[in-house]
Amino acid sequence: NAGVMQNPRHLVRRRGQEARLRCSPMKGHSHVYWYRQLPEEGLKFMVYLQKENIIDESGMPKERFSAEFPKEGPSILRIQQVVRGDSAAYFCASSPRRGADTQYFGPGTRLTVL
Amino acid sequence: DQQVKQNSPSLSVQEGRISILNCDYTNSMFDYFLWYKKYPAEGPTFLISISSIKDKNEDGRFTVFLNKSAKHLSLHIVPSQPGDSAVYFCAAAVNSGTYKYIFGTGTRLKVLA
Repeated sequence: NAGVMQNPRHLVRRRGQEARLRCSPMKGHSHVYWYRQLPEEGLKFMVYLQKENIIDESGMPKERFSAEFPKEGPSILRIQQVVRGDSAAYFCASSPRRGADTQYFGPGTRLTVL
Repeated sequence: DQQVKQNSPSLSVQEGRISILNCDYTNSMFDYFLWYKKYPAEGPTFLISISSIKDKNEDGRFTVFLNKSAKHLSLHIVPSQPGDSAVYFCAAAVNSGTYKYIFGTGTRLKVLA
């Protein structure tokens, strides 16, 4: 049973470019969460999605960031016109149900903005 | 506003002894708590959880204690092993709404052989 998969594992972008981060949840999981970890900090919630729906995006910056979880395919976190402050590790987690279910995390994508 | 706090950034323990990691929270609405372990360049790995209706949950060498009146939880690892060396995060959630986790800043545990 494959775990949560994220790709790429490392992504380097220059300022102003776009970054696309992908997340495939565990088999049977239809709930996806994205978190960001800045250096020396804990993980910060960004967005919670179910298939084709954004349930809670209260942690997403108001501009340049968007997320989707289409009916088919992985969840995508998109960052437009990246800036140096976007450099961080981005983790995706999934759970099978809505509720106090354990969220299982992927290995993360480390974004570096030059 | 840091709702979940891990005040000890690091902890060193001798192999075979007990490791105690602490976590404090401020939001009385939290009713579900978890501990994750994280190795460098990997995602957090779930260790153990506890609901607010309990005050203790045990799984092998790992025990989590919850003191709701003090808004405090702790993770005990007995006996500690070198492979336990990692960063440990506590997380809290409200068991309604969107269940987003609020994480502490982590404690780096080093188990000395």
